[in-house]
Amino acid sequence: QKEVEQDPGPLSVPEGAIVSLNCTYSNSAFQYFMWYRQYSRKGPELLMYTYSSGNKEDGRFTAQVDKSSKYISLFIRDSQPSDSATYLCAMKVSGYALNFGKGTSLLVTP
Amino acid sequence: GAGVSQTPSNKVTEKGKYVELRCDPISGHTALYWYRQSLGQGPEFLIYFQGTGAADDSGLPNDRFFAVRPEGSVSTLKIQRTERGDSAVYLCASSPNMGTEAFFGQGTRLTVV
Repeated sequence: QKEVEQDPGPLSVPEGAIVSLNCTYSNSAFQYFMWYRQYSRKGPELLMYTYSSGNKEDGRFTAQVDKSSKYISLFIRDSQPSDSATYLCAMKVSGYALNFGKGTSLLVTP
Repeated sequence: GAGVSQTPSNKVTEKGKYVELRCDPISGHTALYWYRQSLGQGPEFLIYFQGTGAADDSGLPNDRFFAVRPEGSVSTLKIQRTERGDSAVYLCASSPNMGTEAFFGQGTRLTVV
């Protein structure tokens, strides 16, 4: 079993919908949680960064971390066609490298 | 530079050849990571530097892979006797220190024919 599990999708939603992306993990030592967006043939772009449990909001994006359930989420409000990409969750223990999920492919249709 | 820079962006090499991939991190970032990404997969950890030293090289798949960061800035990933299975996108990331967010470059797409 991988340490980070993420449904690869694909996930298709109409423009304006609320998107929910999720990851589960098995290592209770993870402290730092990130979401990256990756467009085709590009490097991952950092979207959200959170430390420990709780919520963080940045514009249309909200990241949630529930350490008791080992579950993290990314919500995208008012989704746009330009949000179509692969979304990668990543997490780490301080002093160690990032562990990634497989990524969820999202398509927002006009 | 403003971001992490990786060169070349694309590299095609013949099976059995030696290749070097370069990463120039964000200025002042002490931590540097190498990852490998195959189609449809998330990035797979290879090696992580803190300063000049390799803090964790447990992700290197075998002894054909080696990486250096002699002055604590630019890093080079070296692959000897390349195999077709080495074909992937090689990503580099840097972060200000061990506990903060990591920023990625655009990657080097390596194709071994």
